[in-house]
Amino acid sequence: SAVISQKPSRDICQRGTSLTIQCQVDSQVTMMFWYRQQPGQSLTLIATANQGSEATYESGFVIDKFPISRPNLTFSTLTVSNMSPEDSSIYLCSVERQGANEKLFFGSGTQLSVL
Amino acid sequence: GQNIDQPTEMTATEGAIVQINCTYQTSGFNGLFWYQQHAGEAPTFLSYNVLDGLEEKGRFSSFLSRSKGYSYLLLKELQMKDSASYLCAVRDWPNDMRFGAGTRLTVKP
Repeated sequence: SAVISQKPSRDICQRGTSLTIQCQVDSQVTMMFWYRQQPGQSLTLIATANQGSEATYESGFVIDKFPISRPNLTFSTLTVSNMSPEDSSIYLCSVERQGANEKLFFGSGTQLSVL
Repeated sequence: GQNIDQPTEMTATEGAIVQINCTYQTSGFNGLFWYQQHAGEAPTFLSYNVLDGLEEKGRFSSFLSRSKGYSYLLLKELQMKDSASYLCAVRDWPNDMRFGAGTRLTVKP
């Protein structure tokens, strides 16, 4: 398994501000993924972050709104910029372990509420 | 793209067996996963199928039929702690993971 530390665990923010979420993994991984889970819904992939290159964003998500950093193989950040109440959600980072299953492991999530 | 369909909610009795179905469409199947997510927590991995058939792991089993685009998660000897959401996820080749909306299971005494 992978140990993934994600912080903050929760935050309440004002409209128009930005929040940076950090994700630290206990070992080197090639790809890190950022998901959003809106209330009562399933996970939606925001972007894939590879070390040494720009993140790849999914349809409906743009770099200006969700800038991502991936400075090394164990760390990544996701910033939620110019927040609005619609950004209230759980944000999860995840990594994939190479192996027979290549399953995803998830951080504990960041519960974001925007007022 | 992928459509992943699973029931929104299910209810079962403690000690019983419950089957959660998942149907999917994919352009290049590369694995199906089931995750468990308790309220307010991150998803945790339960099972993985890439070939047709049944994978058993303790009280949980998962079945896959690639030709039918169908999977199910079988939970036996239900316990109260099994009350959670169960997410079906499909990976498209090579590495594009998509999640279903999840099935919220309530286990009653």
